[in-house]
Amino acid sequence: GENVEQHPSTLSVQEGDSAVIKCTYSDSASNYFPWYKQELGKGPQLIIDIRSNVGEKKDQRIAVTLNKTAKHFSLHITETQPEDSAVYFCADSGGANSKLTFGKGITLSVRP
Amino acid sequence: DVKVTQSSRYLVKRTGEKVFLECVQDMDHENMFWYRQDPGLGLRLIYFSYDVKMKEKGDIPEGYSVSREKKERFSLILESASTNQTSMYLCASSFGTTQYFGPGTRLTVL
Repeated sequence: GENVEQHPSTLSVQEGDSAVIKCTYSDSASNYFPWYKQELGKGPQLIIDIRSNVGEKKDQRIAVTLNKTAKHFSLHITETQPEDSAVYFCADSGGANSKLTFGKGITLSVRP
Repeated sequence: DVKVTQSSRYLVKRTGEKVFLECVQDMDHENMFWYRQDPGLGLRLIYFSYDVKMKEKGDIPEGYSVSREKKERFSLILESASTNQTSMYLCASSFGTTQYFGPGTRLTVL
């Protein structure tokens, strides 16, 4: 991808509430959109991804939605728990290689 | 289990020193990447490699070089460390689109 914007930069929610993190991208050729979670002192880890031929994907409490027309994709976390507190990165990829362009990250805090 | 290891978790060097950051993956992945992570700037790609002895510049290659003599090992070299290279350095490897990251090396250049 060319540019990936991630908003907001921080998000605080009450335990049990839902959290939504949105990213926008600019490269029309982008066809793969992963989300990574980075816990304190660790490297980022893939938590869910979506390809451009799918509008939504769900895995237990997390889901990702993709709007190709508007060029944005969102991470949804339901029933948030304190262990969901971390930095979340969105990314996109459009080429034949596996190069990713990352957003700047958002710090999610779940208040107990 | 997928494993990417980095030679040091913390490193302190002096300005002008040559610095080597090592990354090893045990998954026989063809692709390897070096990023730096800075507050408010996210992950920025420094260099990547699709095969042994092959390298390509990422978005911020200035002041860095890399070496990939063996498939499992990808080294990042700071030829002459400067204070603005103080950062967290993350290595990743992939076969397809999923990248697996190491724990990172926090480098401080004094």
